[in-house]
Amino acid sequence: SAVISQKPSRDICQRGTSLTIQCQVDSQVTMMFWYRQQPGQSLTLIATANQGSEATYESGFVIDKFPISRPNLTFSTLTVSNMSPEDSSIYLCSAALGGFNEQFFGPGTRLTVL
Amino acid sequence: SQQGEEDPQALSIQEGENATMNCSYKTSINNLQWYRQNSGRGLVHLILIRSNEREKHSGRLRVTLDTSKKSSSLLITASRAADTASYFCATDPQGAQKLVFGQGTRLTINP
Repeated sequence: SAVISQKPSRDICQRGTSLTIQCQVDSQVTMMFWYRQQPGQSLTLIATANQGSEATYESGFVIDKFPISRPNLTFSTLTVSNMSPEDSSIYLCSAALGGFNEQFFGPGTRLTVL
Repeated sequence: SQQGEEDPQALSIQEGENATMNCSYKTSINNLQWYRQNSGRGLVHLILIRSNEREKHSGRLRVTLDTSKKSSSLLITASRAADTASYFCATDPQGAQKLVFGQGTRLTINP
């Protein structure tokens, strides 16, 4: 298994600013993912964070808005850029040890944009 | 669009009763997983069933998978107040290299 921590746990930000969310895993993992969960909704995959190469983005999400880094096998960051109130959501990091078996999730970052 | 459709969207039962949630999907999958999310928290993996399996048990959980109907069900027996949470199915579509989550069922167990 893997234990995942995220920072910050929550933040309130002003429109037009950017926020970087950190995700730390307690062991080396093959795959890391970033999801968005709007209030009362399901999870939507933003991108797969690839170690040593550019992230793979899902339809509707672009690198300029959601730049992602993954410098090693235990750490990744997601930046929400030029925020608007529509970006208010919970952002979740997850990791998989191999293949697409179970994913382990962080506690999430609750973002409110004013 | 989302791969998984779940029903019901919300379910409220008395403690001790059984709770059944259903999930349908659209394409061929490698496996199907169920997760639980307590309010405002991260997701916890409950159980994974592979496409060549029909039924799986884990404690008070029973999952079935019917690939011909592209559907799965999660049964929680002898429910407890602590089972109150949202439950999501997630599929691992063949060739998709990702998990796709259903809309979720919000389960409330009344004491």
